[in-house]
Amino acid sequence: DIVMTQTPLSSPVTLGQPASISCRSSQSLVHSDGNTYLSWLQQRPGQPPRLLIYKLSNRFSGVPDRFSGSGAGTDFTLKISRVEAEDVGVYYCMQATQFPWTFGQGTKVEIK
Amino acid sequence: QVQLVESGGGVVQPGGSLRLSCAASGFTFSTYNMHWVRQAPGKGLEWVAIINTDGDVEYNGDSMKGRFTISRDNSRNTLHLQMNTLRTEDTALYYCVRDGTSTVTYTLDYWGQGTLVTVSS
Repeated sequence: DIVMTQTPLSSPVTLGQPASISCRSSQSLVHSDGNTYLSWLQQRPGQPPRLLIYKLSNRFSGVPDRFSGSGAGTDFTLKISRVEAEDVGVYYCMQATQFPWTFGQGTKVEIK
Repeated sequence: QVQLVESGGGVVQPGGSLRLSCAASGFTFSTYNMHWVRQAPGKGLEWVAIINTDGDVEYNGDSMKGRFTISRDNSRNTLHLQMNTLRTEDTALYYCVRDGTSTVTYTLDYWGQGTLVTVSS
C-alpha cells in the first residue's frame, strides 16, 4: 500500500497569513496514464470531508482561489495564500493512483 | 444538487452484522463509481471499498474483503455495505462517497454525512 505522510500535523496560523501543508508518498503517484492522482480534502469541525484539489493542482467547483496545490512524483504541497476563519479544520492528502486509495494522517489548521 | 444520505448504523456486538445503505439523488447514480470511506472516532480517514458502474469491486485489504460486501441497486439509486463478523476496531463513522471519475478525475468528489457504527459488548 502507498503510505501518505503529512507535515506538520498541526499548524497554528494568523488570520490573513499564508499556510502550507506538505504531503509525501512512499512511492511515485504518477499513474501509467501519466497523470498524478493526488487530491486534498478539508474537514471542518463536525462536518464530512470536502474536496478542495484534485489531480495535483485543480481546484474543485466552488473552492476559493486562495487554495492551491502543487508538487510532483512523491512530494506535494497545499497552500492557503491568506488564511480565513472558515479555513479552520483538518486537511488530508489522498492518493487515487493505486488501490487501496490511501490518506495522509491529517493536518489540523487552527488560528493562533 | 448531489445528495448522499447514509443509514443503517447502530450498536452491534462483536461478531455481529450490519447493513449500511446510502440513498443517492441529484445525479445519474448508475453512471458513477461509488465508495465507502470510514473514520474512527477522533481519527483519520480510511478507504473501505469501491464499486464501479459495472459492479466490479475492490476492498481495502484481505480483512475487509472477507467480511465486507459492497453492492449497488441502480433501480433504487442505492449503495449498500454489508458488514459481517464485526470487530471493535470497525467502530467508525461510515461515509458514502461519490467517485469523481465521470466528471473530474480519480477522486472523491461528494460525501454524505455518514452513519455511525459502534461495535461493543
